[in-house]
Amino acid sequence: GAVVSQHPSWVICKSGTSVKIECRSLDFQATTMFWYRQFPKQSLMLMATSNEGSKATYEQGVEKDKFLINHASLTLSTLTVTSAHPEDSSFYICSARDSIRAPGFQPQHFGDGTRLSIL
Amino acid sequence: GESVGLHLPTLSVQEGDNSIINCAYSNSASDYFIWYKQESGKGPQFIIDIRSNMDKRQGQRVTVLLNKTVKHLSLQIAATQPGDSAVYFCAESMNSGYSTLTFGKGTMLLVSP
Repeated sequence: GAVVSQHPSWVICKSGTSVKIECRSLDFQATTMFWYRQFPKQSLMLMATSNEGSKATYEQGVEKDKFLINHASLTLSTLTVTSAHPEDSSFYICSARDSIRAPGFQPQHFGDGTRLSIL
Repeated sequence: GESVGLHLPTLSVQEGDNSIINCAYSNSASDYFIWYKQESGKGPQFIIDIRSNMDKRQGQRVTVLLNKTVKHLSLQIAATQPGDSAVYFCAESMNSGYSTLTFGKGTMLLVSP
């Protein structure tokens, strides 16, 4: 149980294009999903908290106009990297927590990440 | 032995040994702690968790110890196997786990056959 699917797993695109990444909770519902960024040999850095039916909460230093988040249903959140540039190249990972069926003290479950390379 | 690389501390052990991975957390108000395993090119995988009202919890081949006095968390892996080779992260959260997770720096575990 508690499977999170992320798509695509890998994308290469030209500078200036926009890239959309999907995060789905497959066997549970999540009012809240999370988006992280990870550089090689470093820890995960939280970018934003995605809230179903409302605006995302962004961490300090993360540009909300650059990283658009939509959480339109209880099983899907999307992250769109707009006008991507080489410095946006990174490993993006989403997570979700079963916030409907289960009470507190539930771990976040992670997708397998999206490797984004901007040329 | 244990060594500190440019970014990631590394623990090297032999197959069959017991491994201990340590983590110092930062927030004394944290009440929920989780260990994750991350293999190369994949997302973190849940291993075990512990609430702040406990000091020890055991799973299959893994044990987590929590020392709130010194804000220290450890993960013990019994009879370490080559498949345990990965990066291990501790994470902390507040408000019964409803708050966001703060991840530690991570430790790379290398298991030699």
